[in-house]
Amino acid sequence: DTAVSQTPKYLVTQMGNDKSIKCEQNLGHDTMYWYKQDSKKFLKIMFSYNNKELIINETVPNRFSPKSPDKAHLNLHINSLELGDSAVYFCASSQGFAKNIQYFGAGTRLSVL
Amino acid sequence: GQQVMQIPQYQHVQEGEDFTTYCNSSTTLSNIQWYKQRPGGHPVFLIQLVKSGEVKKQKRLTFQFGEAKKNSSLHITATQTTDVGTYFCARSYNTDKLIFGTGTRLQVFP
Repeated sequence: DTAVSQTPKYLVTQMGNDKSIKCEQNLGHDTMYWYKQDSKKFLKIMFSYNNKELIINETVPNRFSPKSPDKAHLNLHINSLELGDSAVYFCASSQGFAKNIQYFGAGTRLSVL
Repeated sequence: GQQVMQIPQYQHVQEGEDFTTYCNSSTTLSNIQWYKQRPGGHPVFLIQLVKSGEVKKQKRLTFQFGEAKKNSSLHITATQTTDVGTYFCARSYNTDKLIFGTGTRLQVFP
């Protein structure tokens, strides 16, 4: 059983399209995150949700809209994709605050052409 | 004051050699975590350090937290090809988020 699963693993799309990435965790955690990792491997927090409530929005363009239908799911919808959105997007979860251990999904490699 | 710098950015070693990566902050840290990301993989938690001067070992890996709680290091003794990957330190900030260091990419040649 995968603890944090995200789909799809790969996403190739044209500029201007809208796409979604789904994330689910079966660890019973109450906090979930989206991270972006660029080609230089820098890992940057985008969003954090605690019990379905948005806690952090790290100056991400509003083309990115996270949605948490329940505390086990955190999806990411991206409108009007741009070339610069190409990256690996990781979902993660933790129990409680961010200082606790975070468990990452396998990542979604997004390529915008 | 949030940023966490790691050095070196890259390290290539011969199998059997030792490896160390350093994590430095300009502000005092409440704790520090270390993660490893294999090529093509995702970050995996290794350890968390909380106390000033703390030293923890996991087999060939030794983790240290500085006395002033502003720096940390990860030392690998006698590297193996399975140690290949990017090692990240991470600090919590205002309890709400984890700020990852810039990472050190380790390559081990057999």
